[in-house]
Amino acid sequence: GQNIDQPTEMTATEGAIVQINCTYQTSGFNGLFWYQQHAGEAPTFLSYNVLDGLEEKGRFSSFLSRSKGYSYLLLKELQMKDSASYLCAVLDSNYQLIWGAGTKLIIKP
Amino acid sequence: ETGVTQTPRHLVMGMTNKKSLKCEQHLGHNAMYWYKQSAKKPLELMFVYNFKEQTENNSVPSRFSPECPNSSHLFLHLHTLQPEDSALYLCASSQEYGENYGYTFGSGTRLTVV
Repeated sequence: GQNIDQPTEMTATEGAIVQINCTYQTSGFNGLFWYQQHAGEAPTFLSYNVLDGLEEKGRFSSFLSRSKGYSYLLLKELQMKDSASYLCAVLDSNYQLIWGAGTKLIIKP
Repeated sequence: ETGVTQTPRHLVMGMTNKKSLKCEQHLGHNAMYWYKQSAKKPLELMFVYNFKEQTENNSVPSRFSPECPNSSHLFLHLHTLQPEDSALYLCASSQEYGENYGYTFGSGTRLTVV
């Protein structure tokens, strides 16, 4: 079966760095997405990786290793507004999105 | 406001009621989706419409009935639901279906079945 694993919850301190990991086992691979979802709000697109390596976008970076079935989302200079759930999703060989259950990130002052 | 609008935001309904959820997008997208989001579970794809035609129905019970009258509007008709159907129902759209396009989501309808 297809599976996406990510930690259920993480806690970090304001101003620090946090890395949210995602491992996947899917039928084929056509890219990996990260979305951010604040409580009671819509998930919003953060990043898309299809090639190995690191993609940097401001305070957020996303890394992909296709050979290891692994990605991470790196958040730097954490702010209180970064408290949210972070969803990892993989586009499989049929271009279906397979979703992880999400990681709830709690930022403490 | 993300460009995808869902109404109502909250809905409480009895098991014998009939209600409808509405989704609207004016992003010019051709694909629209219904997802179910339950606590601590992955998003579950329910239905996909591409150019107004239903292309996916992921074994969803018949008490959920989708309707897509045009490429900008999507409905989910609900009847004789069960308490386990209580969840956040998300609508999303994308430029095309079946490609590596990001989705734009609505804020969802929080449904409680009593």
